[in-house]
Amino acid sequence: AQSVTQLGSHVSVSEGALVLLRCNYSSSVPPYLFWYVQYPNQGLQLLLKYTTGATLVKGINGFEAEFKKSETSFHLTKPSAHMSDAAEYFCAVWGGGSNYKLTFGKGTLLTVNP
Amino acid sequence: AAGVIQSPRHLIKEKRETATLKCYPIPRHDTVYWYQQGPGQDPQFLISFYEKMQSDKGSIPDRFSAQQFSDYHSELNMSSLELGDSALYFCASSLERSGELFFGEGSRLTVL
Repeated sequence: AQSVTQLGSHVSVSEGALVLLRCNYSSSVPPYLFWYVQYPNQGLQLLLKYTTGATLVKGINGFEAEFKKSETSFHLTKPSAHMSDAAEYFCAVWGGGSNYKLTFGKGTLLTVNP
Repeated sequence: AAGVIQSPRHLIKEKRETATLKCYPIPRHDTVYWYQQGPGQDPQFLISFYEKMQSDKGSIPDRFSAQQFSDYHSELNMSSLELGDSALYFCASSLERSGELFFGEGSRLTVL
């Protein structure tokens, strides 16, 4: 079964600082990996995805993530945090094989301090 | 571009009542997924449908049922509501179970 572990339920950074949100996955098949962002009382918005090919993927709002198979990781980064980045971030893994569902991590709440 | 439409956006019910949530997928998407997100929790997979047939089943209570209709919209029926059913219910759609899910804004159910 696929699973995702997000390290740190809450990350706090200063505006302009590097954002690093950690995600490790477990999958019995080559994974499809995703990062979603959720603003308060809103839906889930896709930030970026990795399916195959280039291991460094770029998403919206200046975010990017690197798939590292040897480390089973898919960490999300942004060079310079903006106040508008404050939100909940979810890493997710797609089942694959005959398991057609998206499994989410517990989420990381990002706080950006002025 | 058209997105996933969920209705109603907010719903308040009493314990033991029933509720129905509707989901209209992106045009041409044939797969619908339902997720439940409790307060401060991650989204939990409930059930999915592909081409109007049940595809996968997650932690959906027996009091809940769902189906996908001929026009690909889906409905989640919840009966004998409990306080613990209060949550945000998301619907998502995709094309051919591709793994790229597009989520609706969610339906917030409050059970009093």
